Amino acid sequence: NAGVMQNPRHLVRRRGQEARLRCSPMKGHSHVYWYRQLPEEGLKFMVYLQKENIIDESGMPKERFSAEFPKEGPSILRIQQVVRGDSAAYFCASSPGRGGSYEQYFGPGTRLTVT
Amino acid sequence: TQLLEQSPQFLSIQEGENLTVYCNSSSVFSSLQWYRQEPGEGPVLLVTVVTGGEVKKLKRLTFQFGDARKDSSLHITAAQPGDTGLYLCAGGRQGAQKLVFGQGTRLTINP
Repeated sequence: NAGVMQNPRHLVRRRGQEARLRCSPMKGHSHVYWYRQLPEEGLKFMVYLQKENIIDESGMPKERFSAEFPKEGPSILRIQQVVRGDSAAYFCASSPGRGGSYEQYFGPGTRLTVT
Repeated sequence: TQLLEQSPQFLSIQEGENLTVYCNSSSVFSSLQWYRQEPGEGPVLLVTVVTGGEVKKLKRLTFQFGDARKDSSLHITAAQPGDTGLYLCAGGRQGAQKLVFGQGTRLTINP
């Protein structure tokens, strides 16, 4: 499977716990984006990363949320001390990043449920 | 603030009919993508348009980017039940990699 991979597909956490969402971009893609989708809504941008760098985090909540894309391994979106309002589908997308490509390819998402 | 407005939000029609979905903004975009999303899955890229006035066809689907690059439309000819899904438009701006999404059009094609 050469597509964007996300795991887990479903994650249940109790209030106050930590959630870690993982994303492996498509082969050859060096740019990763995280989006959040609430029920019956479109996707909202959260953060854009390249290897070892956060390029744009204008959509990230100021507290409890962080993201990284290390030199080796997948990108991680981390949510500390989750609250019920964090329940949503979180999607990762990747793009080649060359030649001004605008096309982003999405993974299947992680559905986070906070109980 | 919703920068991209899609209409209609919901559309239910019979198999064989034609339909058009609109994506409008007061802002100019450098590119516009259309995605289709199935329940429980991620959005799948259908097309990217980058030039004002551009028209692209994908089988029974026709995509158009407005001359001023502020709006786009998706026209489906002879809709089939397999076209059922959530259609999302997303705009990209020069110098910014993030996409701005519309709220989606939920399309149902009845057999």
